[in-house]
Amino acid sequence: DAKTTQPTSMDCAEGRAANLPCNHSTISGNEYVYWYRQIHSQGPQYIIHGLKNNETNEMASLIITEDRKSSTLILPHATLRDTAVYYCIVRVAPLINDYKLSFGAGTTVTVRA
Amino acid sequence: DTAVSQTPKYLVTQMGNDKSIKCEQNLGHDTMYWYKQDSKKFLKIMFSYNNKELIINETVPNRFSPKSPDKAHLNLHINSLELGDSAVYFCASSQGGTGNTEAFFGQGTRLTVV
Repeated sequence: DAKTTQPTSMDCAEGRAANLPCNHSTISGNEYVYWYRQIHSQGPQYIIHGLKNNETNEMASLIITEDRKSSTLILPHATLRDTAVYYCIVRVAPLINDYKLSFGAGTTVTVRA
Repeated sequence: DTAVSQTPKYLVTQMGNDKSIKCEQNLGHDTMYWYKQDSKKFLKIMFSYNNKELIINETVPNRFSPKSPDKAHLNLHINSLELGDSAVYFCASSQGGTGNTEAFFGQGTRLTVV
């Protein structure tokens, strides 16, 4: 799987948009970009994923650059409950033996009132 | 209803003991996983099972033995516990591989070996 690089930590203000960057310069054409988050003392939670088009769901938006070498997760109106570690993961499209997620260190996001 | 549930949530035990952690999912998924999160907070996969068949074993010591009695359950048995086994263990499930599907995680079991 391609490696990802994320900032170690970032702060954002409650009610404002939080923009979380991720670099994946070695991504290949069949690799998806996934985002998960882990709120303190809980299991990881899926947020969103995409291949090359921008994606939006009820939790967040995912913007992938045209060359696919980087992406940004956007939490449109951050709340205190969004304080968590956010993981950007690059995964190959479904293959027979594609059964694992490789988590890096992630970005610790702290939302402040 | 909890989608992926693990029991117990906390487990404190002495070195050398044998213990089990249970995991059940009610999502109808065919693939289940065990992950370990150590004190440095890195999440690493240990095992994955698809339709009760072992798919991934990530060089985990053979003191760890997963057992999948059916598609909805994946239990983890650990023999001769060591101090280094202290960690949070997460069970997860997905439909098929995680290449293009989301994985659902349980709340974790915090294992402390003393």
